[in-house]
Amino acid sequence: GQNIDQPTEMTATEGAIVQINCTYQTSGFNGLFWYQQHAGEAPTFLSYNVLDGLEEKGRFSSFLSRSKGYSYLLLKELQMKDSASYLCAVKGRGSTLGRLYFGRGTQLTVWP
Amino acid sequence: DVKVTQSSRYLVKRTGEKVFLECVQDMDHENMFWYRQDPGLGLRLIYFSYDVKMKEKGDIPEGYSVSREKKERFSLILESASTNQTSMYLCASSPIQANQPQHFGDGTRLSIL
Repeated sequence: GQNIDQPTEMTATEGAIVQINCTYQTSGFNGLFWYQQHAGEAPTFLSYNVLDGLEEKGRFSSFLSRSKGYSYLLLKELQMKDSASYLCAVKGRGSTLGRLYFGRGTQLTVWP
Repeated sequence: DVKVTQSSRYLVKRTGEKVFLECVQDMDHENMFWYRQDPGLGLRLIYFSYDVKMKEKGDIPEGYSVSREKKERFSLILESASTNQTSMYLCASSPIQANQPQHFGDGTRLSIL
């Protein structure tokens, strides 16, 4: 089976750094995606990792360790607009084709 | 930019009705997906399709069917709507390449009365 775990809620203050963790157990692995979803809106793509290590994209970075089944999303210099749900998703391989297995999302609240 | 368009933003239907949710993408993507999203449960995959006329069951296909007669269009059908199908429905598409993300439509908030 597939199991994607991430914390339900996190809070942080404006200007701070926050790390959102994701652990996964899947029968096949073909990459890990992070999405951001503001309330009432569609998820939007943030990052993709398929090899171990850190991928940096402006204020956002994502890390992957395949041997540990672990990823994190790092948000720096937090802004109020970063308040959103962050979704971790793992892409399966083979018979699962292009489908993604999503975690339940981490609701991040940024306080002034 | 990829555009995934869902036919309705809000929809209200009655129990027992047959409901059609339409989704169109403009980027010639092979894969298309239907999810529902409920508080505390996250995104759950209902059905997906990797080619015209092809479909695969997701995690919660019961009570739903799909149709993909053209590459750009993927329809979700609630055969006989029930109140427990009240939810936010999200359509997504992606190319066949593994490193490409899924792109989502704005969602349809469906209420079954």
